[in-house]
Amino acid sequence: NAGVMQNPRHLVRRRGQEARLRCSPMKGHSHVYWYRQLPEEGLKFMVYLQKENIIDESGMPKERFSAEFPKEGPSILRIQQVVRGDSAAYFCASSRHLAETQYFGPGTRLLVL
Amino acid sequence: DAKTTQPTSMDCAEGRAANLPCNHSTISGNEYVYWYRQIHSQGPQYIIHGLKNNETNEMASLIITEDRKSSTLILPHATLRDTAVYYCIVRVENYGGSQGNLIFGKGTKLSVKP
Repeated sequence: NAGVMQNPRHLVRRRGQEARLRCSPMKGHSHVYWYRQLPEEGLKFMVYLQKENIIDESGMPKERFSAEFPKEGPSILRIQQVVRGDSAAYFCASSRHLAETQYFGPGTRLLVL
Repeated sequence: DAKTTQPTSMDCAEGRAANLPCNHSTISGNEYVYWYRQIHSQGPQYIIHGLKNNETNEMASLIITEDRKSSTLILPHATLRDTAVYYCIVRVENYGGSQGNLIFGKGTKLSVKP
């Protein structure tokens, strides 16, 4: 059973470009969570999604960030018009149900030049 | 904010048991204690969780005090590969709610030394 997969593992963007981060949950998991880790800081929750629904986006910046988890395919975290402060590691986790253990992927490291 | 308090750092000799404490004095009756670790900026790795009984799996043991205000994660025979930041997290397991996020504190940086 493959774990949570994220791609790309590393992403370099110039200021103003768009970044798309993908997350494929573990098989049988329908709940996806995105977290961000700024350099030298802890993980901070961003958004929680179920298939086709955003359940909790209380940790998402109000502008430029969006997330989706379509019926088919991976969950996508999209950052428009990236700025240097967006440089961070973005981790995705999945669980089978809301109340169950979250398992994390290896992360995508975004560098904005 | 995280509802847990952990020491900033700890050292442990290779082959010895590593005992990592965590205080969670405001824990509620329906909140579980979860432990994750993060090895050198990799994705957090789930270790173990429990409600009030002690738990053991292939990675570690979790000892929760009777009043549930604190717990200890035990790595019975620490190796160099156990060097990581260890996070203690309390979390409601609420099937009917919408809050699913984990709240990470600063964790304990465990250094296993040869």
